[in-house]
Amino acid sequence: DAKTTQPPSMDCAEGRAANLPCNHSTISGNEYVYWYRQIHSQGPQYIIHGLKNNETNEMASLIITEDRKSSTLILPHATLRDTAVYYCIVRVAETSGSRLTFGEGTQLTVNP
Amino acid sequence: NAGVMQNPRHLVRRRGQEARLRCSPMKGHSHVYWYRQLPEEGLKFMVYLQKENIIDESGMPKERFSAEFPKEGPSILRIQQVVRGDSAAYFCASSPPVRRGTGELFFGEGSRLTVL
Repeated sequence: DAKTTQPPSMDCAEGRAANLPCNHSTISGNEYVYWYRQIHSQGPQYIIHGLKNNETNEMASLIITEDRKSSTLILPHATLRDTAVYYCIVRVAETSGSRLTFGEGTQLTVNP
Repeated sequence: NAGVMQNPRHLVRRRGQEARLRCSPMKGHSHVYWYRQLPEEGLKFMVYLQKENIIDESGMPKERFSAEFPKEGPSILRIQQVVRGDSAAYFCASSPPVRRGTGELFFGEGSRLTVL
């Protein structure tokens, strides 16, 4: 699986958009970009994933650059409950039978 | 549809005892993964199992640790002769059978092992 690079920490004001970047310059053509988060001591939670097109769901939007070497997770209206460690993971997803490799992630702190 | 269920949520053991952690995957899921998170550290993959088979155990310590996922019942992570360094949160995740383009893992809330 390709390696990812994320800033160790970010702050965001409540109600504003949180934009979390991720670099994955060695990504392969068949690798997807996944985002998970872990709210303090809880189990990781799936947020969103994509291959090359931008994706949106009820939680977030995922913007992937055209060359696929980087992506941005957008939480459009951050709340205090979005304070968590956010993990960007690149992985082949042709089957569901492959593990996720977690890096250090970004600690997002949403401030009131 | 219940999520991934782990028990016990908290377990205290003395050095040298055995710890057994159980994981019931989501209904219809046939893949189980175990991860360990040491205090103030990241999530580390341990083992990936399908029913009655260990598929990838590259993250399992060579000694004292074992995992199984029998045909019937939950997956079990077993730690023999626990030491203080085994104190950690152990997370289980499950995923459905092969399906292209998804690959989501669904995590439980974890079992927290404390070794005295």
